[in-house]
Amino acid sequence: KAGVTQTPRYLIKTRGQQVTLSCSPISGHRSVSWYQQTPGQGLQFLFEYFSETQRNKGNFPGRFSGRQFSNSRSEMNVSTLELGDSALYLCASSREPRDSNQPQHFGDGTRLSIL
Amino acid sequence: AQSVAQPEDQVNVAEGNPLTVKCTYSVSGNPYLFWYVQYPNRGLQFLLKYITGDNLVKGSYGFEAEFNKSQTSFHLKKPSALVSDSALYFCAVRALDQTGANNLFFGTGTRLTVIP
Repeated sequence: KAGVTQTPRYLIKTRGQQVTLSCSPISGHRSVSWYQQTPGQGLQFLFEYFSETQRNKGNFPGRFSGRQFSNSRSEMNVSTLELGDSALYLCASSREPRDSNQPQHFGDGTRLSIL
Repeated sequence: AQSVAQPEDQVNVAEGNPLTVKCTYSVSGNPYLFWYVQYPNRGLQFLLKYITGDNLVKGSYGFEAEFNKSQTSFHLKKPSALVSDSALYFCAVRALDQTGANNLFFGTGTRLTVIP
């Protein structure tokens, strides 16, 4: 069974640009969560989508947005990129919402570098 | 406020020795606790969880964790460390956030280095 797939694995952008990251969850998983991981801040929750609806949102500015499609694939968009957005962006999926007892399954992430 | 703490940024242990990675939590109600491991350039992998029942939970790769309610701890342990166990370990707790919604809080991570 295929795991969580994130594309692209690496991305280089410049300040002011926008970027879209993609996540394909494990088949049958309806919940997709996004996290930002940086050396200074650790792992921070961005948002969760479940059955195409945003279910929960972390403390990030409106430049960070996402959506989920009917096949549960999700995209995350960051507009007007800033240097501080350089991070590893992780996607995680689970069959049930992330506040259930089920563990999350993570992809290998997209490493975004802002020049 | 709900939180989870990993008091050690770095743990070094000799190969073959027992290892412990510490985690303490602060939540209202019954905690749901998880351990994840992250290898370089990879995502997090689930190791084990505590929901209810036996305080000693066994997980993947020979890891186990002991839930201690009185000490509000959930330390990760392994009887004999392998060099391949070297990685970043995250403790997580499910709890209510400031909006009253269930949320999953991650610790800051502990880097484990097993020395050959």
